[in-house]
Amino acid sequence: QVHLVQSGAEVKKPGASVKVSCMPSGYTFTAYFIHWVRQAPGQGLEWMGWVNPHSGDTNYAQKFQGRVTMTRDTSINTAHMELTRLGFGDTAVYFCAKGGSCDTTSCRPFQYWGQGTLVIVSS
Amino acid sequence: DIQMTQSPSTLSASVGDRVTITCRASQSISKWLAWYQQKPGRGPTFLIFDASTLESGVPSRFSGGGSGTEFTLTISGLQPDDFATYYCQQYNNYPWTFGQGTKVDIK
Repeated sequence: QVHLVQSGAEVKKPGASVKVSCMPSGYTFTAYFIHWVRQAPGQGLEWMGWVNPHSGDTNYAQKFQGRVTMTRDTSINTAHMELTRLGFGDTAVYFCAKGGSCDTTSCRPFQYWGQGTLVIVSS
Repeated sequence: DIQMTQSPSTLSASVGDRVTITCRASQSISKWLAWYQQKPGRGPTFLIFDASTLESGVPSRFSGGGSGTEFTLTISGLQPDDFATYYCQQYNNYPWTFGQGTKVDIK
């Protein structure tokens, strides 16, 4: 059974950085992308990017380019998302999601989701 | 970026009702559309991919249709567990984008 367990809530000051962890289990960690999606309070979902746990390759939404870094540690089967220069608009729940199998004929984009990590930016 | 627009934003319904949610893309996305269900305080649950393929384990009362720019999610015979918010999401082009959500609540 697939589970993605995320690190706990964080409170940060404006200008600080935050690093959120995601620990999947129940499948081969390096076989599927890990995506990061955030949700501001009472708002919809926003895709931030992905990391390929096998190669370490990343693809970030342009909105977050220069501020986000997605990494993975294959020794402990964990993915990380670090967001720098936090502003009040970064207050949100951050989700990791396991990508599914994707090819030219079919794709499961976000097949399983973590429980979310609340990040509060407050002075 | 591809804009995804859902309608309605809120839908009031009763147990047993058939409900339909519409999702429109600002440009053609072929069949590259997924649907998710989200309940308060939880991560979304994956329902449908490739516009109309039901994910394993999802009840058959859920169905999806459409292609190009117009898509639908239908729940045939609403159950108490189905009261939630539903999101569509396109994966034709990066950045992948979501609709704003449709809340299905109890009439």
